[in-house]
Formats: sequence, C-alpha cells, structure tokens
Amino acid sequence: GAVVSQHPSWVICKSGTSVKIECRSLDFQATTMFWYRQFPKQSLMLMATSNEGSKATYEQGVEKDKFLINHASLTLSTLTVTSAHPEDSSFYICSARDNEQYFGPGTRLTVT
Amino acid sequence: QKEVEQNSGPLSVPEGAIASLNCTYSDRGSQSFFWYRQYSGKSPELIMFIYSNGDKEDGRFTAQLNKASQYVSLLIRDSQPSDSATYLCAVNRGGSYIPTFGRGTSLIVHP
Repeated sequence: GAVVSQHPSWVICKSGTSVKIECRSLDFQATTMFWYRQFPKQSLMLMATSNEGSKATYEQGVEKDKFLINHASLTLSTLTVTSAHPEDSSFYICSARDNEQYFGPGTRLTVT
Repeated sequence: QKEVEQNSGPLSVPEGAIASLNCTYSDRGSQSFFWYRQYSGKSPELIMFIYSNGDKEDGRFTAQLNKASQYVSLLIRDSQPSDSATYLCAVNRGGSYIPTFGRGTSLIVHP
C-alpha cells in the first residue's frame, strides 16, 4: 500500500508556543489530505480536510485560526498548532487518499 | 444516536478462538465500510473494506455487512495474542469519501 509519513513523531512544547507537523505522501500524489486528532481511549476525530492549492475545510468546532493548515504541494500538508495549550496535547494523525485512505504514523504532542 | 457505534470492550478471547467485533451505523445511505486495527500509540492500519451485503473473507479475517440492519462485523479466526489491539469501524456516507469512525473495540487475546 501507499506510504504516508509524519514528522515529528513526538514533540513536547511549552504553553504558548507554536508547533508544526508535516505530513507527506511518499509514493503517490495526494490532492486531499486529512488531519485527525485522537485523545486517549477516544475515536479519531476529523479536524480538517486539506486541499492542495486551496483553503482547508474545517470541521465544526475546530478553530481555523488556531490550527493552521497548508497544503502547498501534492505530497505535503502541514498542520501548525498556534499558541498551544495543555488541552491541545493529543495524538495528531494525518491521512492521504489514493484509492484508499492511508494513515501516517501519527504525532504525539505534549504541551507543558 | 452516534453515527457509528461500537462496544468499547474490552473483548477478551482465548488464543485460537474466534473474535467477533460488531459495529452499527445510523446513516442508511452509507456505502463503504472499513475495519482498521490500531495498536496502542500507533496510527490505524486498514484491515478490510466491504461495500456489498454479505461476507468478505481475507485470510483469518471476515467482514460481514447487513445494510438492512445497518450492521457490520469483523470476525477474526484463530485469534493470536498479536491480534490484541483496538479495532475501529469506519463508515463512509453516500457520496462522501471521508469516513466517520467509531470509538473502537479493544480486543485482548490471551494465551
């Protein structure tokens, strides 16, 4: 199957700082990528759909000014958590769609 | 009613037994159904997908879909300890390629 990578795999940052997470499709071009967040023992919650060359589509309740998404190329989407707070600590997972949806390995964010 | 419902478990089965995981969904227009396996601290990996009513088999895994009952299940034959994980059911609404995930069922296969 297709491969999706994420970087970093884990990050610890201080409250108030910003963190950027990269999602790359390694062996296929993805016009659409998805960003999910998963809290412990909870399901994956779709945050936004990232469209190459256009604005992301955010799910209801997700602050677009806090979670900045950029999809500058067909193989790269980035999620920037701005002014992070401890409640933003979570497991962030991206996925990209070829014929099926392939998930990246996830990024564990801890905000202290 | 949640869109995709799963019993959170844990479901505990002995090694070699059949594990049966169930999922119900609320949108009758749903057309695509997926089962993902997620190990602790890892991202989900696709196990199977099913689009038509009936059974679909792949190795030790069988997905069963009953659209009339809005029910999809995953059977794991000859369960192994390495099958211990959380199994997520995901459903695509009709006309959408974005799946909605259930909370997942934790499966424990004990030796």
